[in-house]
Amino acid sequence: EAGVAQSPRYKIIEKRQSVAFWCNPISGHATLYWYQQILGQGPKLLIQFQNNGVVDDSQLPKDRFSAERLKGVDSTLKIQPAKLEDSAVYLCASSLVMAGGRNEQFFGPGTRLTVL
Amino acid sequence: QKEVEQNSGPLSVPEGAIASLNCTYSDRGSQSFFWYRQYSGKSPELIMFIYSNGDKEDGRFTAQLNKASQYVSLLIRDSQPSDSATYLCAVRSSNTGKLIFGQGTTLQVKP
Repeated sequence: EAGVAQSPRYKIIEKRQSVAFWCNPISGHATLYWYQQILGQGPKLLIQFQNNGVVDDSQLPKDRFSAERLKGVDSTLKIQPAKLEDSAVYLCASSLVMAGGRNEQFFGPGTRLTVL
Repeated sequence: QKEVEQNSGPLSVPEGAIASLNCTYSDRGSQSFFWYRQYSGKSPELIMFIYSNGDKEDGRFTAQLNKASQYVSLLIRDSQPSDSATYLCAVRSSNTGKLIFGQGTTLQVKP
């Protein structure tokens, strides 16, 4: 079974530029998550999708970040314009269902973003 | 107070010793608790899930949960250099259902 795919793996941009990240979840996984992991911290949930609907985007800085999941499969996360504090690893994860309990989330390799 | 707190370490133990990693949480209603392992430059990987008070063992790993004290721990027996990684504690919010991660504890196992 293929894992969660993400691209690009690395991105370096200047502040105020825009950037987009792509994620392809595990086949059949209805729930998709985008996390931001700043160096030395744990992942922080930015947005959660159930199929192509948003379940939770309470911690997404909506003035600069946007995300979509067209057709309930692939997803893109965009930052426009980027700030220095956006430098982080952006992790995409997916899970089979949205319900609680174990509901294991499988993480992709992440995109390391550096904003200069 | 942070929702999920861990000592960032590093925690250094000799090969073959028991490594003990601790985590406290603030959400008294939480029912699901996770330990993820994250190697440097890699993504988190689930290694333990626990929801009942007491101990849960899986190979060299034991998770311990005490809901009354709002405390969850991970013991690694016979520690190996390959166990050197950051261990993330995560708690499922009783209100939103999302995972709240601690900052992680870096473990170094020295040969």
